Amino acid sequence: DADVTQTPRNRITKTGKRIMLECSQTKGHDRMYWYRQDPGLGLRLIYYSFDVKDINKGEISDGYSVSRQAQAKFSLSLESAIPNQTALYFCATGSLSLEQFFGPGTRLTVL
Amino acid sequence: GENVEQHPSTLSVQEGDSAVIKCTYSDSASNYFPWYKQELGKRPQLIIDIRSNVGEKKDQRIAVTLNKTAKHFSLHITETQPEDSAVYFCAASKPGGSYIPTFGRGTSLIVHP
Repeated sequence: DADVTQTPRNRITKTGKRIMLECSQTKGHDRMYWYRQDPGLGLRLIYYSFDVKDINKGEISDGYSVSRQAQAKFSLSLESAIPNQTALYFCATGSLSLEQFFGPGTRLTVL
Repeated sequence: GENVEQHPSTLSVQEGDSAVIKCTYSDSASNYFPWYKQELGKRPQLIIDIRSNVGEKKDQRIAVTLNKTAKHFSLHITETQPEDSAVYFCAASKPGGSYIPTFGRGTSLIVHP
């Protein structure tokens, strides 16, 4: 089945460390997104990309960067992790019908 | 930009009751309104959506209504079952090639057996 996958699924890191979260998809979708989920705050958009050469900031991009290595791969980096970046991170793709397909999520803890 | 308000944040019902979750949006240009369900420890998944050219859409026990004049839309779940327990998110987006939905903060629905 075509799917969206994320690695790692869980990560514990220390303040100041650089980390990368990876997302891969086999759905053939051009649109890809990174969201952050915090309790009571819903899904907030960090970055999005509509093709390999297109990168756009979302509402909460400070402290994050992304790379779209191929149509199927979209990585999120935290250059210098801080404790308030502790959250659940979701990658998603977007179909032409506008439905979004989410990955299983990465739970990140910054100590 | 678009702002989506979702209420209530928590909803507790007895099995068999109906549940209603309401969302309001600020940008009158928005025309696509999906609802996602996120079960505990799982990823969000689309359960139903509505576009601005219709006022209501039903799929078995779930329905969504849209009032464009008032800029609000609602999710209705009838005959609730324990497996309906989850967090539900509404979203709104504008037309065009750039699909960037704005999500509400979510409603935690608890269905008691």
